[in-house]
Amino acid sequence: ELKVEQNPLFLSMQEGKNYTIYCNYSTTSDRLYWYRQDPGKSLESLFVLLSNGAVKQEGRLMASLDTKARLSTLHITAAVHDLSATYFCAVGSQGGSEKLVFGKGTKLTVNP
Amino acid sequence: DAGVIQSPRHEVTEMGQEVTLRCKPISGHNSLFWYRQTMMRGLELLIYFNNNVPIDDSGMPEDRFSAKMPNASFSTLKIQPSEPRDSAVYFCASSTGGPGGELFFGEGSRLTVL
Repeated sequence: ELKVEQNPLFLSMQEGKNYTIYCNYSTTSDRLYWYRQDPGKSLESLFVLLSNGAVKQEGRLMASLDTKARLSTLHITAAVHDLSATYFCAVGSQGGSEKLVFGKGTKLTVNP
Repeated sequence: DAGVIQSPRHEVTEMGQEVTLRCKPISGHNSLFWYRQTMMRGLELLIYFNNNVPIDDSGMPEDRFSAKMPNASFSTLKIQPSEPRDSAVYFCASSTGGPGGELFFGEGSRLTVL
């Protein structure tokens, strides 16, 4: 059974600082996604990572995937308050299933 | 283009009542997913459909839950009878179903069972 673990679950950081969120998963997968959720809102897709070594960047966020280590990272550069949200990674099941298993999420608070 | 549309956005009901949540996927998307989000358990997949056919319903909690997709543009999730532990946000999502199928989520239906 595919299990997805994120850490940290809570992250409080100051504006201008850098930090990394980690996403580990338990079985082989060929696709990983990062989503953002604001309080009381829906989930917004940030990145789609489909191959080993994939790296995607958008603004102050950069995501990477290491399928051999079963690890993805979401790196935040020079954080700003607007990045405060909960970030989820989601991993695709193998065997032709379209099912995505989500991590518990990392609640990020960026303080001025 | 309209995204995934869910209704109702909020529902408050009493234990034992029937609840029906509705979802309209993005036009042209072949796969539809129902997820439930709670503080304790996070996001859990309840069921997903491909081309209107249920593919994986292993996440449906018990017989009180049922889901249908009578056509490509409409799905329902029904809870009968509802219980307080069913209180959660229920999200519907759709995707094209192809490789790298990214899920697009609706705004969710917040259910409170008293």
